[in-house]
Amino acid sequence: RKEVEQDPGPFNVPEGATVAFNCTYSNSASQSFFWYRQDCRKEPKLLMSVYSSGNEDGRFTAQLNRASQYISLLIRDSKLSDSATYLCVVKAPQAGTALIFGKGTTLSVSS
Amino acid sequence: EPEVTQTPSHQVTQMGQEVILRCVPISNHLYFYWYRQILGQKVEFLVSFYNNEISEKSEIFDDQFSVERPDGSNFTLKIRSTKLEDSAMYFCASRGGRDTEAFFGQGTRLTVV
Repeated sequence: RKEVEQDPGPFNVPEGATVAFNCTYSNSASQSFFWYRQDCRKEPKLLMSVYSSGNEDGRFTAQLNRASQYISLLIRDSKLSDSATYLCVVKAPQAGTALIFGKGTTLSVSS
Repeated sequence: EPEVTQTPSHQVTQMGQEVILRCVPISNHLYFYWYRQILGQKVEFLVSFYNNEISEKSEIFDDQFSVERPDGSNFTLKIRSTKLEDSAMYFCASRGGRDTEAFFGQGTRLTVV
C-alpha cells in the first residue's frame, strides 16, 4: 500500500469553480500533514498545513480526518493562477523530519 | 526573502561519471535535505542532515550517494558513478526547526546519458 495516495486527476475546471482534492495516508501514527503546490518543473512550495480542527486560508480550506486517515483540500472560486499540481504531504514519525509526498493531483483552470 | 539556492540548474553527465550537486541552505537553518523527483513521478526523500551528520536516509540513498557540509554554508550531494536511472530533478531543502516549514531550492535537473 502506498504511503500517501491522491486522486490522479487531472482536474479541468472553469474559472470560478470549486474543486476538491482528496488524499489518504497509510501510517496511522503520522503526525503532521500539509498541502504543497508544485508548478511545472519547479520546486514544491508549502500551500498550507492541515490541522485536525480544519483550517482555512482565503479561498483554500484543508481538513483532516485522523480516523479515516484522510486529508482534503477545497479550492473555492478557482483562478487561472491556481493551475498547478497539488501535493499531499505527510511527516511520518518513523521518518523523523522527512516529508513523504503523494504523487500529486494536477489542476487546470481555464477561462 | 531568504531562499535555498542550488547549482547548477541543469547538469548533463555521462553514465559512470561522478557528479556533485550543490546547495546553499537558508543561513540560520539547522536541518538539510535532499529529495529527488523522476520525471512524472512523486517527490522522493533521499537523506536528511542535522548537526553535521546524516540523521536519516531512504532506501534510495545507497553507497553511490554521499552528502557533505564542507564549509558551514554549502550542502552537497555526490553521486559517485551515475546511472541512467539517476536522471531526475534533485531538490535541496532546509528548515530552521524540527517542525517548521521546509523551504525547497529550485532544483538541479540531472540528465545521465
